[in-house]
Amino acid sequence: DTAVSQTPKYLVTQMGNDKSIKCEQNLGHDTMYWYKQDSKKFLKIMFSYNNKELIINETVPNRFSPKSPDKAHLNLHINSLELGDSAVYFCASSQVRLAGTDTQYFGPGTRLTVL
Amino acid sequence: DQQVKQNSPSLSVQEGRISILNCDYTNSMFDYFLWYKKYPAEGPTFLISISSIKDKNEDGRFTVFLNKSAKHLSLHIVPSQPGDSAVYFCAASGAGYMLNFGGGTMLMVKP
Repeated sequence: DTAVSQTPKYLVTQMGNDKSIKCEQNLGHDTMYWYKQDSKKFLKIMFSYNNKELIINETVPNRFSPKSPDKAHLNLHINSLELGDSAVYFCASSQVRLAGTDTQYFGPGTRLTVL
Repeated sequence: DQQVKQNSPSLSVQEGRISILNCDYTNSMFDYFLWYKKYPAEGPTFLISISSIKDKNEDGRFTVFLNKSAKHLSLHIVPSQPGDSAVYFCAASGAGYMLNFGGGTMLMVKP
C-alpha cells in the first residue's frame, strides 16, 4: 500500500500549456504539502494546506494553485507553463498542521519537463 | 536565501566505517531538525529528528548531534552499510516557519 501517491510520474509538455499533478494520501493525515526540487536539487516548500488553512510560500508564482477536493487529495494546477517550471514536484503529508514538528511522508515525485 | 546548508555535496565512506554528514543553519528561531534519506526516483523518507532541547538523539546506527551555539547539526551513521548509499537531506523548522531543506549530501558507501 502506497502511503502517498502521485500521478503522473513523468510529465512532458509544451510552454504555455496548463497541467495538473494529482496527489493522494491514505494515511489519514490532516495536512498536505507540495515541494519543488529544482535543478540544483534544493527542496523548497510551495504550499502547506489543511482543511482550514492554506499557507503559500510567497516566492511561488500565482500560476501555481493547489486544489483539494477532500482531505486525502491535494492536486497541483499549473497555468501557462514556463521553461523554469521544469523540476521534480513532491507531494507530502503529515498529521498535524505545523510543518516542522511532525514527520512528513513524501510521495515518489513527478518529473515535469517543459519544452 | 538558503537558511539550511549542507556544504558537502558528496561523501564516500568504506563499509563498516563511520559516516558523518554535516548541516548548518542560519535562523536562530529554528527549533526542530530532521534528516531525510532519498533514493533515486523515490521521495525523501524520514530518518531521525531532534528538538532544540536536546543535543543528541540516537536510533540504532543513526545518531544526530545538535550544537545550537554553532547552529550546526550532524548525522552519524555507524557502521555504514552499502544500503545507506543515498542522498541525505537536513531540514529545519520552528514555530511559524515552514520546513527548510538543505541541498543534500550524496553518501556512497563502498563495499
